Amino acid sequence: GQNIDQPTEMTATEGAIVQINCTYQTSGFNGLFWYQQHAGEAPTFLSYNVLDGLEEKGRFSSFLSRSKGYSYLLLKELQMKDSASYLCVHMDSNYQLIWGAGTKLIIKP
Amino acid sequence: NAGVTQTPKFRVLKTGQSMTLLCAQDMNHEYMYWYRQDPGMGLRLIHYSVGEGTTAKGEVPDGYNVSRLKKQNFLLGLESAAPSQTSVYFCASSSFREYTGELFFGEGSRLTVL
Repeated sequence: GQNIDQPTEMTATEGAIVQINCTYQTSGFNGLFWYQQHAGEAPTFLSYNVLDGLEEKGRFSSFLSRSKGYSYLLLKELQMKDSASYLCVHMDSNYQLIWGAGTKLIIKP
Repeated sequence: NAGVTQTPKFRVLKTGQSMTLLCAQDMNHEYMYWYRQDPGMGLRLIHYSVGEGTTAKGEVPDGYNVSRLKKQNFLLGLESAAPSQTSVYFCASSSFREYTGELFFGEGSRLTVL
């Protein structure tokens, strides 16, 4: 995406914790979303942050700092099935979604 | 629960040919979208619709047309396919504008233009 920055690829070990960072342009904000996309499949919704702080949902948590234009997705107790791309998505002031190119997460045994 | 269904899932076209991708959703969603996904890039919005009988241009509308004659269906047409339109196309739907970040996607349609 034109104003979303996230790492292209990350590698982690099964059972470990990984943090995927995302930065976006702060001009206009209506939400920050994370999607998961397995290879060859459609994206599926993971989380939504509109206020600063941490949102926890099982093994996945998402953090937002609106003043810094920064978010991260934290995955705990990694499983092989977590191997996928993770897409950071910014909703701007016009409620338009701006999609990052995604971070490909590789989980090794 | 079918959710969002796209047809066809795979298609190969020659340059200049036309085709239509069909998207159907059974969740009674008002909003529907067509995206394309290319390697190394984020999803890009082609066209979208905020209700039956309405359509609007997204980020990359050139070379595509859409129609939303029924609330549950959203059609994407390519009038004269070009190699640059080789991509994976995703249809999606959502309920309310303020929560349109949570999209429900179809499985994707892989189009190759030779």
